[in-house]
Amino acid sequence: QKEVEQDPGPLSVPEGAIVSLNCTYSNSAFQYFMWYRQYSRKGPELLMYTYSSGNKEDGRFTAQVDKSSKYISLFIRDSQPSDSATYLCAMSEVNTGFQKLVFGTGTRLLVSP
Amino acid sequence: DADVTQTPRNRITKTGKRIMLECSQTKGHDRMYWYRQDPGLGLRLIYYSFDVKDINKGEISDGYSVSRQAQAKFSLSLESAIPNQTALYFCATSEEGRTDTQYFGPGTRLTVL
Repeated sequence: QKEVEQDPGPLSVPEGAIVSLNCTYSNSAFQYFMWYRQYSRKGPELLMYTYSSGNKEDGRFTAQVDKSSKYISLFIRDSQPSDSATYLCAMSEVNTGFQKLVFGTGTRLLVSP
Repeated sequence: DADVTQTPRNRITKTGKRIMLECSQTKGHDRMYWYRQDPGLGLRLIYYSFDVKDINKGEISDGYSVSRQAQAKFSLSLESAIPNQTALYFCATSEEGRTDTQYFGPGTRLTVL
């Protein structure tokens, strides 16, 4: 079993839809949760960062962490064609010292006009 | 100009050849990383370096070597390339003491025939 599971998609939605992207994990020691966005032929870029449980909102994006269920989500409101990309979740036990990031395999999102 | 650059962007080579991938950064970060990305496997850590004198193996270092020529430069070498090293390779950086927030380069697409 992988440490982090993520549906590869593709997830196809019309413009304006609400998108829900999810990851499940098995390591209860994870405390730091990130979402990276990767456009085609580009490197991943950090989109959202959350610590422990709860929600964090940034514009049209909301990151949600449920540590009791070992489940994290990224919601995109009013999705735009420019949101079409692969979304990678990433997790870490600590944010100092060294603990490697564990990445999901990514979910490909396609937003059609 | 991009903060993290990688050269070459694309490379096709033959089995047994020696290949070097280069990474440069202008972010002033101490920490640098090399990852490979494969479909269905996500991002996997090959090597990481905390400073010029500190280099560490990641989870898949066999068949690879690295050199940290300066704070801003980190090179990855494949001494004798083999077909299963065909992948997308990313360099990343992070601030001193931080692992969670990483900044990625645009990637090198390597094909070994």
